[in-house]
Amino acid sequence: QAGLTQPPSVSKGLRQTATLTCTGNSNNVGNQGAAWLQQHQGHPPKLLSYRNNNRPSGISERFSASRSGNTASLTITGLQPEDEADYYCSAWDSSLGVWVFGGGTKLTVL
Amino acid sequence: EVQLLESGGGLVQPGGSLRLSCAASGFTFDSYAMNWARQAPGKGLEWVSGISNSGGSTYYADSVKGRFTISRDNSKNTLYLQMTSLRVEDTAVYYCAKEGLEYWAQGTLVSVSS
Repeated sequence: QAGLTQPPSVSKGLRQTATLTCTGNSNNVGNQGAAWLQQHQGHPPKLLSYRNNNRPSGISERFSASRSGNTASLTITGLQPEDEADYYCSAWDSSLGVWVFGGGTKLTVL
Repeated sequence: EVQLLESGGGLVQPGGSLRLSCAASGFTFDSYAMNWARQAPGKGLEWVSGISNSGGSTYYADSVKGRFTISRDNSKNTLYLQMTSLRVEDTAVYYCAKEGLEYWAQGTLVSVSS
């Protein structure tokens, strides 16, 4: 079951904007949209956004998601030190009947 | 407040079995699908299995199909993962997660080693 494609790492400066990408296909990202998860070292993942740009309560408006075709994006504005974490995208694959994950992007805030 | 509390992890030899449990509270358990995912040491997340709210439909990753069985007891608000024929590569932190990956448990470590 092929996963989604994410860049391994992104580095941005404090208070800058980072955009993370996630590429799938028409059966997953292009169909159901993507969920985005944040994981700090030693902690479980936390859902930031689902089905492209729906934020669970309590998630900062600095996190926004979008999709264009089979590629989903997560934009984080006004980067803070606490945003340094691993970010994963995930999507339900309607053809395979499974959730697929990206390999994760390590975001470094300089 | 949604809470997911896992138990059952530990050290097991290759070929052995283990059953994980995930006790849920703070939401109407039988209204939501549930999932298991895992994360090998230093690696990314991998979805393992999912089950519909009634338990009537189950889904598995190819890597565990035929060896793992997901189930639920809605009367006890508990999700299970029965793992058999365990392999070294199954070593990971296992998480249960609510439908849509909305909430995640803290994780339980499963180590498969001789």
